[in-house]
Amino acid sequence: EVHLVESGGGMVQPGGSLRLSCEASGFTFSDHYMDWVRQAPGKGLEWVGRIRNRGNSYSTEYAASVKGRFTISRDDSRNSLYLQMNSLKTEDTAVYYCARSSNNWSDWFDPWGQGTLVTVSS
Amino acid sequence: DIQMTQSPSAMSASVGDRVTITCRASQGISNHLDWLQQKPGKVPKRLIYDVSNLQSGVPSRFSGSGSGTEFTLTISSLQPEDFATYYCLQHTTYPPTFGQGTKVEI
Repeated sequence: EVHLVESGGGMVQPGGSLRLSCEASGFTFSDHYMDWVRQAPGKGLEWVGRIRNRGNSYSTEYAASVKGRFTISRDDSRNSLYLQMNSLKTEDTAVYYCARSSNNWSDWFDPWGQGTLVTVSS
Repeated sequence: DIQMTQSPSAMSASVGDRVTITCRASQGISNHLDWLQQKPGKVPKRLIYDVSNLQSGVPSRFSGSGSGTEFTLTISSLQPEDFATYYCLQHTTYPPTFGQGTKVEI
């Protein structure tokens, strides 16, 4: 069974940094693209960014709202995905989900992890 | 960015009702339009991919249709476990964008 488990959330002051992790199991992690999606409290879903697989040079894409502040990386040997968040703003407060995708355009955002809450507040 | 607009934003319905949710794209998109369900306090779950393909394990009362800029999710006979928020998602172009959600309430 595919399983994604996020960790690393917590409370941080504006301007601070935080690193989220997503540990994957139940599938060949190295074959897949991986995404981060966030959901502010009581709000809808917002795509944060993506990292492709080794065959696609681990290339990344980011939403305009986080570009230059957030960095996505992965460690295929550890089946793990990461989101380094710097220069955090109060509007970054959200539950952050990792989701599995692939180079097959019909197979994106399935499944999702349980999420980890990031609160940016002074 | 392609903007996805769902209607209605919220609705009240009864068990057994036929429910239709519409998603409109700000420009034409290909068939990479998915529908997700999120129950309160739970993780989003993909119901339909590529407009009309049912995810494995999803009941057949769910169906999707549409093309171009207008897409619909239909629940043929609403069940108690279907009360949730539904999101459309386009991933024809970057960035992938979600609709604002439709909350289906009792």
